Amino acid sequence: EAQVTQNPRYLITVTGKKLTVTCSQNMNHEYMSWYRQDPGLGLRQIYYSMNVEVTDKGDVPEGYKVSRKEKRNFPLILESPSPNQTSLYFCASSPLATRDEQYFGPGTRLTVT
Amino acid sequence: GENVEQHPSTLSVQEGDSAVIKCTYSDSASNYFPWYKQELGKRPQLIIDIRSNVGEKKDQRIAVTLNKTAKHFSLHITETQPEDSAVYFCAASVYGNKLVFGAGTILRVKS
Repeated sequence: EAQVTQNPRYLITVTGKKLTVTCSQNMNHEYMSWYRQDPGLGLRQIYYSMNVEVTDKGDVPEGYKVSRKEKRNFPLILESPSPNQTSLYFCASSPLATRDEQYFGPGTRLTVT
Repeated sequence: GENVEQHPSTLSVQEGDSAVIKCTYSDSASNYFPWYKQELGKRPQLIIDIRSNVGEKKDQRIAVTLNKTAKHFSLHITETQPEDSAVYFCAASVYGNKLVFGAGTILRVKS
């Protein structure tokens, strides 16, 4: 089944404790992206990747890191999480950049206390 | 950078009526405009999209119109049904790299 998976789905952590949210797609998509969703703000792009080893900042990259060492995986790293990073995070992929439908993962709800 | 404004933030309609959601964008270079539907607790899913070389696109009860001169695009849902209740997001893509979303519209269809 073609899909985008994220892990974990729910995470409660404390300020400053490094964490990684994994994202994997099995559709051989070139483009992958991370978004955060906050009430009243819609979906805001954090980072995106056009292909392996090619990543770039979205609109809200501060406090996040990403890597794209394999085509199927695009992990999101929070080196030192803070309470303002409490949010719902979505990973997405598409065949060719944002000119195609983006397939979203199920989401990861992160709470930083 | 690109900025997308979406209105209204909430919309209540009676079952069978039409619903219209409007978005404006700031960057005239934007060339791809998708609409996503997000049901409660679920992931966003594409419902329709339009590219800058087309003025209107329809898919059954859903249509999208694009006015490049005015830099706005709209989602039209006819004969609304309770299952249309969800949050709808518009978005605009510049040069195919970054996708900027509107803040979302909560649509409630009352039966």
